[in-house]
Amino acid sequence: KQEVTQIPAALSVPEGENLVLNCSFTDSAIYNLQWFRQDPGKGLTSLLLIQSSQREQTSGRLNASLDKSSGRSTLYIAASQPGDSATYLCAVRSGATNKLIFGTGTLLAVQP
Amino acid sequence: GAGVSQSPSNKVTEKGKDVELRCDPISGHTALYWYRQSLGQGLEFLIYFQGNSAPDKSGLPSDRFSAERTGGSVSTLTIQRTQQEDSAVYLCASSAKGQLSGNTIYFGEGSWLTVV
Repeated sequence: KQEVTQIPAALSVPEGENLVLNCSFTDSAIYNLQWFRQDPGKGLTSLLLIQSSQREQTSGRLNASLDKSSGRSTLYIAASQPGDSATYLCAVRSGATNKLIFGTGTLLAVQP
Repeated sequence: GAGVSQSPSNKVTEKGKDVELRCDPISGHTALYWYRQSLGQGLEFLIYFQGNSAPDKSGLPSDRFSAERTGGSVSTLTIQRTQQEDSAVYLCASSAKGQLSGNTIYFGEGSWLTVV
């Protein structure tokens, strides 16, 4: 059974810092991995989607990497801003199913 | 609309009552998903629709939960005889194809259900 873990559960950094969020999964047989952000009281916004054949994806100040063999993904946020404060969730599409298996998220607070 | 639309955005219901939650996916999206997010918990898969194929209902927690999708577009999630543990945010999402194709999945803002 696929399990997805995110560390840390919460993170507080001063504005301007670069930071890394971690996501690990137990079954390396995934089709893709997606990072989302969720603002309080809101739905999820897709940030980056990495196919299983890819190593990384970049969008603006965000860079997501994928190491399937070790069951890990990282989300790197450069030059963090207070507007980046949110919960960040990773999710994997595992095996021949249509389910996204989500981690429990990392709550990020960027202090001005 | 431009995004996934869900209604109601908030619902308070008495224990034992039935509730219906509605989802309008992005136009043209053939895949539709329902997830549940309880307080302090991760997202829990409920059900998946893809075109005219039989839905994947493997995530529905009990037979009190059911969902249908009419005309390949709008979906309704029904919870019968609601219990307090059903209190959660119910999130709907859609994608252009089944997720196996790798397409991005887009979420609505959720229906917040409180059972009192």
